Amino acid sequence: EDKVVQSPLSLVVHEGDTVTLNCSYEVTNFRSLLWYKQEKKAPTFLFMLTSSGIEKKSGRLSSILDKKELFSILNITATQTGDSAVYLCAVELQGAQKLVFGQGTRLTINP
Amino acid sequence: GAGVSQTPSNKVTEKGKYVELRCDPISGHTALYWYRQSLGQGPEFLIYFQGTGAADDSGLPNDRFFAVRPEGSVSTLKIQRTERGDSAVYLCASSLSVAGEQFFGPGTRLTVL
Repeated sequence: EDKVVQSPLSLVVHEGDTVTLNCSYEVTNFRSLLWYKQEKKAPTFLFMLTSSGIEKKSGRLSSILDKKELFSILNITATQTGDSAVYLCAVELQGAQKLVFGQGTRLTINP
Repeated sequence: GAGVSQTPSNKVTEKGKYVELRCDPISGHTALYWYRQSLGQGPEFLIYFQGTGAADDSGLPNDRFFAVRPEGSVSTLKIQRTERGDSAVYLCASSLSVAGEQFFGPGTRLTVL
């Protein structure tokens, strides 16, 4: 069974801290890994990773994929209260146009 | 431009009733997906349309669930004889093509009493 596991499930930090969110996966036929941010209802796209070892960066957020060890991390530096959200990791399967999601990490940034 | 829209935003119904949830994808997007998200969980795949046809309905939990996309644009998810366990947020997403980035709508929160 295809599985995506995120850790930690919940994280509370202070504004300005750096956080690292983890995502590991076991799937039959990997195509890509995606990160989404979910603040209220609609998940919004952050990154898509297909190649190992290449960091994707957008402002204070960055992500990298390790296809040998089957995991990805999402880093957020200099966190702000607006970063508070649930961060979802999903794997897209080759030959099947659907996403398999992890449970999400609920990140809370306190001022 | 307009994103994915879903109606209603909230739906409260009684056990045993029939409900329809609507999704308007981004104009021109050929692929459309339905997911279900229970409290504290990530979204779970239900069904995927490429054009008018359901290309993969392997995530539909049972035959009470059905979805259509008759003209290749708007889609309706239909749930018959609702049960309390059907309570969840139903998310719709669309993409320009297969394997493209999926854009999500705000979801419909379904509550079955």
